[in-house]
Amino acid sequence: LAKTTQPISMDSYEGQEVNITCSHNNIATNDYITWYQQFPSQGPRFIIQGYKTKVTNEVASLFIPADRKSSTLSLPRVSLSDTAVYYCLVGIMDSNYQLIWGAGTKLIIKP
Amino acid sequence: DAGVTQSPTHLIKTRGQHVTLRCSPISGHKSVSWYQQVLGQGPQFIFQYYEKEERGRGNFPDRFSARQFPNYSSELNVNALLLGDSALYLCASSFARGPGTGELFFGEGSRLTVL
Repeated sequence: LAKTTQPISMDSYEGQEVNITCSHNNIATNDYITWYQQFPSQGPRFIIQGYKTKVTNEVASLFIPADRKSSTLSLPRVSLSDTAVYYCLVGIMDSNYQLIWGAGTKLIIKP
Repeated sequence: DAGVTQSPTHLIKTRGQHVTLRCSPISGHKSVSWYQQVLGQGPQFIFQYYEKEERGRGNFPDRFSARQFPNYSSELNVNALLLGDSALYLCASSFARGPGTGELFFGEGSRLTVL
């Protein structure tokens, strides 16, 4: 069954850099890799999207190796407000095309 | 500018009933997609529509159907409700034609409870 895999939870401290990795073995050739953040009782919010190598915006970086079978979201200098669940989203080619969300990584930032 | 709006925000139904959920996209967005999120799990893709045409469908039974109107708003219909349909139903809009590209803008969701 096509799927993505991410760590269930992670802890870190304010001011640290946090890296969350998602594996996606059957990613569709032309699809992007996207990461979302979700707070309780809210819809997910877009963080960053990339196709290959490295993408950086004002809040995060996304590292994608050449084989595109994984991706790493990097959050620099996290704060307490970064405590949330983080999801990767990819298109997977299995028997047919499927848009697959990861199960989510619950990130807890401590003071 | 208004974001993605969904209605109703909360609803309770009994098994076997039918439900219709509504979504209004951000102005200018022609794509709407629907997701089911069971408590404690990631969203599951249900449908995506672009310019009133279905562009993607997830692994959901035929009890689930959707449509997009000329003003790009959308409805998700679920027939013969089961207890397992209890979830947060999220709608997202975007500029992108396909389901796997572009930034998705989400509404706050419709919380469905099936008793």
